[in-house]
Amino acid sequence: TQLLEQSPQFLSIQEGENLTVYCNSSSVFSSLQWYRQEPGEGPVLLVTVVTGGEVKKLKRLTFQFGDARKDSSLHITAAQPGDTGLYLCAGDSKADRGSTLGRLYFGRGTQLTVWP
Amino acid sequence: DTGVSQDPRHKITKRGQNVTFRCDPISEHNRLYWYRQTLGQGPEFLTYFQNEAQLEKSRLLSDRFSAERPKGSFSTLEIQRTEQGDSAMYLCASSSQGTLNTEAFFGQGTRLTVV
Repeated sequence: TQLLEQSPQFLSIQEGENLTVYCNSSSVFSSLQWYRQEPGEGPVLLVTVVTGGEVKKLKRLTFQFGDARKDSSLHITAAQPGDTGLYLCAGDSKADRGSTLGRLYFGRGTQLTVWP
Repeated sequence: DTGVSQDPRHKITKRGQNVTFRCDPISEHNRLYWYRQTLGQGPEFLTYFQNEAQLEKSRLLSDRFSAERPKGSFSTLEIQRTEQGDSAMYLCASSSQGTLNTEAFFGQGTRLTVV
């Protein structure tokens, strides 16, 4: 059972379109991170959101943490082919009883393909 | 420091052989993690060190897997008697001990293929 559910699993769009990727859980997290991963490489950290309702912007990417700190979204405006990759969300483990602080739970990811 | 480095990048081994991977974390980070990722899945937690102490080990990790971080710096992950199901990308990450959140920085991974 995935602690974090990401949707959609696959997304294929044309350059210039907007898109939103979702990351949902029934658990509360102390923080949530978004990563981007390219084939054969490790995930690269994009952003960390900590406060419920927090919104962070990174150029054309907008990240939001839900008020209850159970979910998050990533919105990309005017997608470009360079945005192609696997987008992963990961939650900090403070919500898990008995688990030490520091373990991250990952979703399965959203594979984004942007066509020129 | 250029980030987390892992060695080797690729490893092909025959079933039943032992393999060992190395991870060098970011130098000022005291936390080190090992994850495993298979195709179409997100990274799956294996184990976690704070300095030289192994604080948590996934229940999914069989007895054939062992990890060490003897001096609190680099870490090794050994898989004994490899099986085809062990084929995956093995990722190492490090972070500093924060009070509010964990920001993990990943290496490029070691791709293991068991034939």
